[in-house]
Amino acid sequence: EPEVTQTPSHQVTQMGQEVILRCVPISNHLYFYWYRQILGQKVEFLVSFYNNEISEKSEIFDDQFSVERPDGSNFTLKIRSTKLEDSAMYFCASTTEGGLWTEAFFGQGTRLTVV
Amino acid sequence: AQSVTQLDSHVSVSEGTPVLLRCNYSSSYSPSLFWYVQHPNKGLQLLLKYTSAATLVKGINGFEAEFKKSETSFHLTKPSAHMSDAAEYFCVVSDTSYGKLTFGQGTILTVHP
Repeated sequence: EPEVTQTPSHQVTQMGQEVILRCVPISNHLYFYWYRQILGQKVEFLVSFYNNEISEKSEIFDDQFSVERPDGSNFTLKIRSTKLEDSAMYFCASTTEGGLWTEAFFGQGTRLTVV
Repeated sequence: AQSVTQLDSHVSVSEGTPVLLRCNYSSSYSPSLFWYVQHPNKGLQLLLKYTSAATLVKGINGFEAEFKKSETSFHLTKPSAHMSDAAEYFCVVSDTSYGKLTFGQGTILTVHP
């Protein structure tokens, strides 16, 4: 069964460092997403990406964040200068189409720890 | 804005007994609702979704949920819990035409032998 894969599963980085989280969505999917979950809090939407551009982003997704689909298979989330409060589980997801009824397929997550 | 409230952060049941995980939503229009499950070290997996075709929705592994517009609820049930059902469950509403999802805070289900 096709699945979304994320690497690495765990990442520890020092405050102020750049970090790139990587995701390989399901191959025929067209919409891509990043979510995060800070420990003890809800899963929060960060950004959606379609047709090589951001379609929607949350208030969390400020200038420190960027997304890219560099080669048609990978989908990356870059945090330019990490802060302690960026420590969270980050989930990538993909869907075949947009719309209210579409099932999102999620990766297993990358746990980011900023020290 | 849409929102989801899961009424219990933890639910504990004995194997073979019924499961009830409660979810209430807030929406300004007809929502699409989902239940996702996350087992340890696994990704989020779709259990079932409400698409307005039927108010009682059947999902995988014997789970089902009933959409009640008058109560703004979408509770998840299973007649008989199995040890493998132990996981975290998320009630989710779809927010926009781009497929953005809004999550409840999650309910951790523990199943005792």
